Amino acid sequence: DGGITQSPKYLFRKEGQNVTLSCEQNLNHDAMYWYRQDPGQGLRLIYYSQIVNDFQKGDIAEGYSVSREKKESFPLTVTSAQKNPTAFYLCASSMGQNTYNEQFFGPGTRLTVL
Amino acid sequence: AQRVTQPEKLLSVFKGAPVELKCNYSYSGSPELFWYVQYSRQRLQLLLRHISRESIKGFTADLNKGETSFHLKKPFAQEEDSAMYYCALSGNKGDMRFGAGTRLTVKP
Repeated sequence: DGGITQSPKYLFRKEGQNVTLSCEQNLNHDAMYWYRQDPGQGLRLIYYSQIVNDFQKGDIAEGYSVSREKKESFPLTVTSAQKNPTAFYLCASSMGQNTYNEQFFGPGTRLTVL
Repeated sequence: AQRVTQPEKLLSVFKGAPVELKCNYSYSGSPELFWYVQYSRQRLQLLLRHISRESIKGFTADLNKGETSFHLKKPFAQEEDSAMYYCALSGNKGDMRFGAGTRLTVKP
């Protein structure tokens, strides 16, 4: 399970503060993804990156930002512009752009806004 | 746009009974479809993918392009199959879309 890690496991934030969630992988995967998981809604794609220094918006990118400066790292910043940030966040990685590649998931970070 | 629909949020069957988890999709291109599973206190993981045409843990799924479906089936459910199941579709950019999930409970 150590291939993809997320930290911290739990995160608390006051309203109006930005917060950054960490995602690291040692699988030498080119592609990385961020999802938000809410009860009854499954996983919704926030951002994804197929290669270093490049990333694309997913379906719910508003209020979030990412960077991909290193192949192994894909941090997600939840900004104060995100209206309802309390959720469970999952990071994933896959070998590359091929559509049939399996995604490997991290353990997740639960963010609570107080 | 890609969309995946899992009409059942909850599904409960008895051990030894057949089980079918439904998945319908909408996508204008040629779809690549997957089933992911999350067992209690474990990470989300791949169960099977359409392209491999494999049977994993007794589960199979057939892509029906006419009905735009990718239902997951197992002839004899086991208690250890109890989990959350997600159907997913990969677009031509490698971006994945997931359904809302179905929680399967297999009763003894």
